[in-house]
Amino acid sequence: SSELTQDPAVSVALGQTVRITCQGDSLRRYYASWYQQKPGQAPILVIYGENNRPSGIPDRFSGSGSGDTASLTITGAQAGDEADYYCNSRDNSGYHPGFGGGTKLTVL
Amino acid sequence: QLQLQESGPGLVKPSETLSLTCTVSGGSISSSSYYWGWIRQPPGKGLEWIGSIYYSGSTYYNRSLKSRATISVDTSRNQFSLKLSSVTAADTALYYCARDIVVAVGSFDIWGQGTMVTVSS
Repeated sequence: SSELTQDPAVSVALGQTVRITCQGDSLRRYYASWYQQKPGQAPILVIYGENNRPSGIPDRFSGSGSGDTASLTITGAQAGDEADYYCNSRDNSGYHPGFGGGTKLTVL
Repeated sequence: QLQLQESGPGLVKPSETLSLTCTVSGGSISSSSYYWGWIRQPPGKGLEWIGSIYYSGSTYYNRSLKSRATISVDTSRNQFSLKLSSVTAADTALYYCARDIVVAVGSFDIWGQGTMVTVSS
């Protein structure tokens, strides 16, 4: 599976913008997907592909990438955005999708 | 609306084989647009992809599991299954089944609620 690295924790003030990053060699070739997971709940896909949001995901969530780094940006962070966020991407050898270690987002 | 539901024993003894089934409802597992995957999460830790299967039977596995995992599909029952052999305490985790989008691999857009499996004697 792909080797993806995320910062363990990030914080943001209420209403501000935060960027969560994911680094890995496979990201030079493939897009990352992003997941939000709140305690006791299954992960939810929030961004996939170039910058696609599944139905029901607010447009405050956006994705981007440059070189070996993908980013999830939350514009106008809300208290309800406090969660663990995981990136995922296939690796360079084929299908195998791997998850990053996750970033715990705290909204202050 | 498509839903996934995991089922299987919640307790497995060390060295034995863990067996789980994911039942797909509200849609067909035989769609050419999706893979069907297993992901696990040890208590307090991150997500780990275990493996995935296509409706045709093609399988893909996380190399770190060293061939202990086997995934199969039963299109007549709209189910896919996971077997993980020679389990140890390190395999204790919340196991999820999920649907992966073929054109955006790694985009698991629908998840089951997860089932906790504990490995203990």
